[in-house]
Amino acid sequence: AQRVTQPEKLLSVFKGAPVELKCNYSYSGSPELFWYVQYSRQRLQLLLRHISRESIKGFTADLNKGETSFHLKKPFAQEEDSAMYYCALFWSGAQKLVFGQGTRLTINP
Amino acid sequence: GAVVSQHPSRVICKSGTSVKIECRSLDFQATTMFWYRQFPKQSLMLMATSNEGSKATYEQGVEKDKFLINHASLTLSTLTVTSAHPEDSSFYICSARGTSGGSYNEQFFGPGTRLTVL
Repeated sequence: AQRVTQPEKLLSVFKGAPVELKCNYSYSGSPELFWYVQYSRQRLQLLLRHISRESIKGFTADLNKGETSFHLKKPFAQEEDSAMYYCALFWSGAQKLVFGQGTRLTINP
Repeated sequence: GAVVSQHPSRVICKSGTSVKIECRSLDFQATTMFWYRQFPKQSLMLMATSNEGSKATYEQGVEKDKFLINHASLTLSTLTVTSAHPEDSSFYICSARGTSGGSYNEQFFGPGTRLTVL
């Protein structure tokens, strides 16, 4: 079954510290994975996708097929990174995104 | 990126009335639109998927007669909550996907509509 798991509902780190938001997936095909971010009172927006291998706002995420993971990382957290983060898997059979439960990241000053 | 708008942003209605929420893709043609529901501090729950010109596909457990979806054009989809009850109070988010704006699989999200049923 297609599933995305974000084991941490809440994550709190200090400004300047490294941050890692975990995401694991279950999918029988070749996965296409995304990280979406939702800042306070704003819409959900795409942060990055694994196929483009880009770094947005200092965040990176590497697809590890062996561990079926797509963890989001940033070496030095900033206060403006505080938001809700969702990992999502594109289920090509159903042509829809499968979202994880989300992780609320709080960066403490 | 592409822009998706929703109207209204907030609506309060009495129990038993119907409420229509509009979702528009402003600068691209949305071949597929999605409607989600989000409860406080929870993830998005997909309610239905609609393709322009065809009937919506509802997720398991979602009442299609209660949540009417119309996707009559490539830029507009509507969600009508019929005979709304307090338990329908929620945050409704639409999302649109088209063939422009980069990756075919990228979805663009609207700002959401807060529905409160008294």
